[in-house]
Amino acid sequence: GAVVSQHPSWVICKSGTSVKIECRSLDFQATTMFWYRQFPKQSLMLMATSNEGSKATYEQGVEKDKFLINHASLTLSTLTVTSAHPEDSSFYICSARKLGLAGAYNEQFFGPGTRLTVL
Amino acid sequence: KNQVEQSPQSLIILEGKNCTLQCNYTVSPFSNLRWYKQDTGRGPVSLTIMTFSENTKSNGRYTATLDADTKQSSLHITASQLSDSASYICVVSAGRGSTLGRLYFGRGTQLTVWP
Repeated sequence: GAVVSQHPSWVICKSGTSVKIECRSLDFQATTMFWYRQFPKQSLMLMATSNEGSKATYEQGVEKDKFLINHASLTLSTLTVTSAHPEDSSFYICSARKLGLAGAYNEQFFGPGTRLTVL
Repeated sequence: KNQVEQSPQSLIILEGKNCTLQCNYTVSPFSNLRWYKQDTGRGPVSLTIMTFSENTKSNGRYTATLDADTKQSSLHITASQLSDSASYICVVSAGRGSTLGRLYFGRGTQLTVWP
């Protein structure tokens, strides 16, 4: 159990266009989902925390108007990169925290990632 | 400052050999420590999770240890296989307060297993 999917797995777009990435928890409900970006040979960097039914919390330095996050249900969160530029090219990974998971682990389950290339 | 440091940065071993990866952290308060395996172009996959009271945990050929006093962890891989080639990431979860549940990521150790 605890499978998280992302769609698309990779996307190429022209500069100035918008791209939407979906993150789904397939076999569990997630009150909280997280969006990360990862540059080559670097750690995952948290961009924002998304709670179902409320506004996302963005990390310092992340533009909320550029990276729109919607968490409309307990199984789906979307990240929209608006007016994408080549510097937005990166590997975007989401994770989901299981609803009602008690105990010390508080585990997050990661999606397979989405490779975004902006030309 | 909450940090997670991993060593070595990269490692090459021959198939069948064992290896040990290291993780030092300064995250406080501490909740748990996780080791993930990340294949190139894929998301991280959990290998082990340990809380303050757990000193060791195994998952097949992977054995993680935790010394909460010295804030060190290691991941030991036995009888390595070609499919073990990946980045291994140490992640520490913060314990309470404003950082509750926040994950702190190491940069990873890039392991390459040669035939």
